[in-house]
Amino acid sequence: DIQMTQSQSSLSASVGDRVTITCRASHFITGYLNWYQQKPGNAPKLLIYAASNLQSGVPSRFSGRGSGTHFTLTITNLQPEDSATYYCQQSHTTPHTFGQGTKVHIK
Amino acid sequence: EVRLVQSGAEVSRPGESLKISCQASGYSFTHYWIGWVRQMPGKGLEWVGIIFPYDSDVRVSPSFKGQVTLSADKAINTAYLHWSSLKASDTAIFYCARLFRPYGDYECFDSWGQGTLVTVSS
Repeated sequence: DIQMTQSQSSLSASVGDRVTITCRASHFITGYLNWYQQKPGNAPKLLIYAASNLQSGVPSRFSGRGSGTHFTLTITNLQPEDSATYYCQQSHTTPHTFGQGTKVHIK
Repeated sequence: EVRLVQSGAEVSRPGESLKISCQASGYSFTHYWIGWVRQMPGKGLEWVGIIFPYDSDVRVSPSFKGQVTLSADKAINTAYLHWSSLKASDTAIFYCARLFRPYGDYECFDSWGQGTLVTVSS
């Protein structure tokens, strides 16, 4: 299986800050990388697909970059409603494994 | 509008069998893979497997192979996840999700069910 590693299990930032979450793949996955947001008690929600494509309806303050094995999710102008856990997922090879998640706290 | 509606919470005993469901609407059920994702209490997301309802082709993670069975009923647009003998360690929320190909062979789960809590306890 391809292992996905999110090095930050949690981070804390203030409203208006720029936040970057990182994700590394154990194998080369070109751009087969998705990002999801999950709030407590809710199902995950797709934010970014194919590394950098914003899902319809997702605010433009979310952006994704990367290729190969190193990827980032950036939230600019952090809002209170962005408090959530963020997961990366590779879709290069089944099983489409997830990272362990990064919890974003608002100070 | 794509909708995935899952069956309600279940409480079962170890050794019992269980089948949970995910009913799809708002799109052509047979043309998209449906996946299952596990979330154990307080933990992250784990990819269980996917099924293509058109021909019931299945891909299951090695971590779950032999532990669960995926199936689908095209007549009622419903996917199922089945256990023949539950264990306490199966306690988790299980989500179904539609596997979408926005372009090329890129894939993502674009629509999710609300989750089914499975509790296994003696």
